[in-house]
Formats: sequence, C-alpha cells, structure tokens
Amino acid sequence: DAGVTQSPTHLIKTRGQQVTLRCSPKSGHDTVSWYQQALGQGPQFIFQYYEEEERQRGNFPDRFSGHQFPNYSSELNVNALLLGDSALYLCASSIFNTGELFFGEGSRLTVL
Amino acid sequence: AQSVTQLGSHVSVSEGALVLLRCNYSSSVPPYLFWYVQYPNQGLQLLLKYTSAATLVKGINGFEAEFKKSETSFHLTKPSAHMSDAAEYFCAVVKTSYDKVIFGPGTSLSVIP
Repeated sequence: DAGVTQSPTHLIKTRGQQVTLRCSPKSGHDTVSWYQQALGQGPQFIFQYYEEEERQRGNFPDRFSGHQFPNYSSELNVNALLLGDSALYLCASSIFNTGELFFGEGSRLTVL
Repeated sequence: AQSVTQLGSHVSVSEGALVLLRCNYSSSVPPYLFWYVQYPNQGLQLLLKYTSAATLVKGINGFEAEFKKSETSFHLTKPSAHMSDAAEYFCAVVKTSYDKVIFGPGTSLSVIP
C-alpha cells in the first residue's frame, strides 16, 4: 500500500519564477492538505482540498494556489517566487472528517 | 484561534533516561491532539493521538501522552530513551475532526550515549 508520494523531492528556482508541486494521497484517502515548513519551524497550514474544492485556507497570499483532481491527487502552485518561499512543502492526506494526517516526505524548494 | 506551545525548543537526555516533551494548547473546547515525529530529511509520522476517549494515550515506539484538560496540556513521555529516538517532535491540535490541524514549533530531542 503506497503512502503519500510527492514530486519533485528537490528543486531550485529563481525569484519571480513559478513552481508546481505534486502529491498523490494514500490509497483510500480523499482529502489533501498542504503545509509549508521553514527550516527549524513547525509546519504552517496552507490549504486543504476535498471534493476538488479548497475547503480551508491558512494565512498565505494568493500567490499560493492549488488544485485537486478527480483521482484525489493534488497540486500546489506558487507564483512570483520570493526568497522567503524557500522551505520544505509537505503534503498530507486524510479521510475527510477524521483529523488524522498522513504525510509525504516533502518537496524541498530553494529560491535563489 | 487554536494554538500550540511546546516548552523547550531543544531537549537532551541520556540514553535510558526518561523523555518528557511538553505541549500546551489553547482551545475553548476539548480538541483532538496529536504528536508527530520527524526524522532528518523526512516527512512527519504520527506517534499517537487523543480523540476524547482515554486520557492516557499509548503510541508507537514506547511513547505515551496524557491529556489533562485542567492544565490544557498533552505532554509526551517515554520511560527509557533510545538513540533512535533522536528527532524533531511536533505537537498538533485540531478543534474538530474536519478542521485544519495546527502544529507547534517543535522540540528537537537529542539522546546522549
């Protein structure tokens, strides 16, 4: 049983560019949440997707957007990258209304 | 708004000693509470969860945590530390089962041989 898979694992971008990160949830899960984890800090909630809609959103600007597909996989898009966007981006899947998250290993984004 | 505080950003214990990692939460209603562990260059793994059943919760790898509503605490303990326990530990809270999960800042645990 595959767990949560994320791609790419590492990537380097320059300021102003755009990036797309991808996530496949654990089998049987229908909800995907995205978190940003800066070095030495706890994960910060970006947004949650269920039934292909953004259900909840954290305190992140509109440069951060996402999508969920009919197969429950998800993408995180970040436009106009800033140096401060450098972080580990974690995808977590869950069964809606259970509260328990299963995490992927993350995509480490470096913005130069 | 929900929040989580973890006292001590870094804790060092000797191998075989008691591990105690502190977590306090702010909530107007009894929440769901979690402890996650993160090893270097990996994602987060669930250690244990409290969902309003027994107040003493047992998790994986010998860890347990006790929910104390009067103290708004959910401290994580392990009787005897192993070298393999060295990692980052995060306490997390969610108000209801469909709400967003909020994480604390984390505590880095070092185990000294």
